[in-house]
Amino acid sequence: ETGVTQSPTHLIKTRGQQVTLRCSSQSGHNTVSWYQQALGQGPQFIFQYYREEENGRGNFPPRFSGLQFPNYSSELNVNALELDDSALYLCASSPTKGAEAFFGQGTRLTVV
Amino acid sequence: SQQGEEDPQALSIQEGENATMNCSYKTSINNLQWYRQNSGRGLVHLILIRSNEREKHSGRLRVTLDTSKKSSSLLITASRAADTASYFCATAAWGNTPLVFGKGTRLSVIA
Repeated sequence: ETGVTQSPTHLIKTRGQQVTLRCSSQSGHNTVSWYQQALGQGPQFIFQYYREEENGRGNFPPRFSGLQFPNYSSELNVNALELDDSALYLCASSPTKGAEAFFGQGTRLTVV
Repeated sequence: SQQGEEDPQALSIQEGENATMNCSYKTSINNLQWYRQNSGRGLVHLILIRSNEREKHSGRLRVTLDTSKKSSSLLITASRAADTASYFCATAAWGNTPLVFGKGTRLSVIA
């Protein structure tokens, strides 16, 4: 039990639609990161938020956006979904940047 | 892009045997971490080793780090069927950069 909760656990969307994934982090964890994990691959860094501001971004297009809220929850928004967006999306929180990360169970997104 | 590369990609052993997984990385790091993932779900943190440390133990886990070779190894002793999972190394560089993961080693422990 990591104390990080993601919702929903599974989601099916149609190409072109928009999706919002949610994460509730551990209290006191100021850093939250989002990762995309394709089947058979390692997690790929999407972006990181620190105290509600974007703090770093991986090689993902602007249609991937996020928010972090004062209550340690965060969102990942993806617009204009593409088939290749089908993946497991993982949220991870840390007390500080570069420290041990606590992961949620992920949201499995399928785009059809 | 992936920073760490685990080796082997897949490993199958008998229960009770030891399992060794290796990780190589490319740039300087602050620390290196190992994670376990069961059946494509969330990652579980196993151990963190800092760049000024050479070896660390946690229960049946032993991690080594060689910064001169930019490599790390994870040893699981007396493996159990429950150790069956994918194992990932992740590096944390200096400054604000996030964890960067490798592609993982899929370990199968046969009872």
